[in-house]
Amino acid sequence: TQLLEQSPQFLSIQEGENLTVYCNSSSVFSSLQWYRQEPGEGPVLLVTVVTGGEVKKLKRLTFQFGDARKDSSLHITAAQPGDTGLYLCAGDRHNQGGKLIFGQGTELSVKP
Amino acid sequence: GAGVSQSPSNKVTEKGKDVELRCDPISGHTALYWYRQSLGQGLEFLIYFQGNSAPDKSGLPSDRFSAERTGGSVSTLTIQRTQQEDSAVYLCASRHTSGGTQETQYFGPGTRLLVL
Repeated sequence: TQLLEQSPQFLSIQEGENLTVYCNSSSVFSSLQWYRQEPGEGPVLLVTVVTGGEVKKLKRLTFQFGDARKDSSLHITAAQPGDTGLYLCAGDRHNQGGKLIFGQGTELSVKP
Repeated sequence: GAGVSQSPSNKVTEKGKDVELRCDPISGHTALYWYRQSLGQGLEFLIYFQGNSAPDKSGLPSDRFSAERTGGSVSTLTIQRTQQEDSAVYLCASRHTSGGTQETQYFGPGTRLLVL
């Protein structure tokens, strides 16, 4: 049973297009994190959202946490080839010691 | 400062052999996590150490897997009698815990294990 459903798993778009990645669950999370992973490296944290309804922006990336803290989205505006990589959402539940539950990941390819 | 380091970076072994994977966390980080990343499966939690508390082993897939953390720093993940389905990237992460805040987990580059 996958506690965090991430979609789409694969996304291939042209430079300049917009895209949204979704992360959904039936469980409530105390926080939700988005990571980016390059080949041969470990995931690197992009953002943590904590409050229901929270929106955070990181340049062309916009992250949103659902009001009920069960889902999140990552929106990229005007994607660039440098955005290519594996994007992972991960949830942190209360009193679980910080151990993360990860979605399956979204492999993004942005073509010039 | 130095990040989380893991060794070896790659390991090829034969089915049935034992392997040891090492993680050096960021100095001063009290929490240490092991995750496994299999192709198409995302990352799954394996085990978690926090200070001197008993580790949370709830994610270990079988009794062939074990881990220890010596002196609150370096950790070793051991897989006995390896099977082909153990082939994956094993990632270690560490985190500074100060209570009540959302501290970041910093990941190492992983050990790529291939069991032939």
